[in-house]
Amino acid sequence: DAGVIQSPRHEVTEMGQEVTLRCKPISGHDYLFWYRQTMMRGLELLIYFNNNVPIDDSGMPEDRFSAKMPNASFSTLKIQPSEPRDSAVYFCASTYRGLYGYTFGSGTRLTVV
Amino acid sequence: SQQGEEDPQALSIQEGENATMNCSYKTSINNLQWYRQNSGRGLVHLILIRSNEREKHSGRLRVTLDTSKKSSSLLITASRAADTASYFCATVESGNTPLVFGKGTRLSVIA
Repeated sequence: DAGVIQSPRHEVTEMGQEVTLRCKPISGHDYLFWYRQTMMRGLELLIYFNNNVPIDDSGMPEDRFSAKMPNASFSTLKIQPSEPRDSAVYFCASTYRGLYGYTFGSGTRLTVV
Repeated sequence: SQQGEEDPQALSIQEGENATMNCSYKTSINNLQWYRQNSGRGLVHLILIRSNEREKHSGRLRVTLDTSKKSSSLLITASRAADTASYFCATVESGNTPLVFGKGTRLSVIA
């Protein structure tokens, strides 16, 4: 397996633009997580899915953030409109049954100018 | 919210020395995990220790867990320059709740 695949690796966008981050989890994993990492706040959980169903989105900072998982092999995190304070590295991770180690993607470094 | 708190925040050692990092957490847990993150990369799972375990080994890694003190330690023996990275502890409180991460320890191993 190629691991968790995220795209793009880097994204630079202007304030107000829509940004879509993509994630392909490991085949067979039933949990998918979106985390955001900043120097100030560390790793924060944004939302997670179990069997494609969103379970907890309480970490999503504002209504500008939305996430979907239309099938077991694909998830998106969308920010609309983007703001400079959204600049961070966004990680996707997946696991099987939630009781084992997570496999993280390489992350998307988002810069909003 | 941050569950785990790593100590120290930064650690610098010579190659060949042992590195010890500590983690404290606040609530009861199902398991505790350690991850490594190289600069600009994703996190890599190192080891998982369950609440009913006290010690676990994996290669040069040794993890201990003291649930009475709500603390864990990660020992890396005979460190190498390639061990230079940030190390995070993360906890699962119960069932299938998601990992909650600490802010990490930055380890520098000087050749």
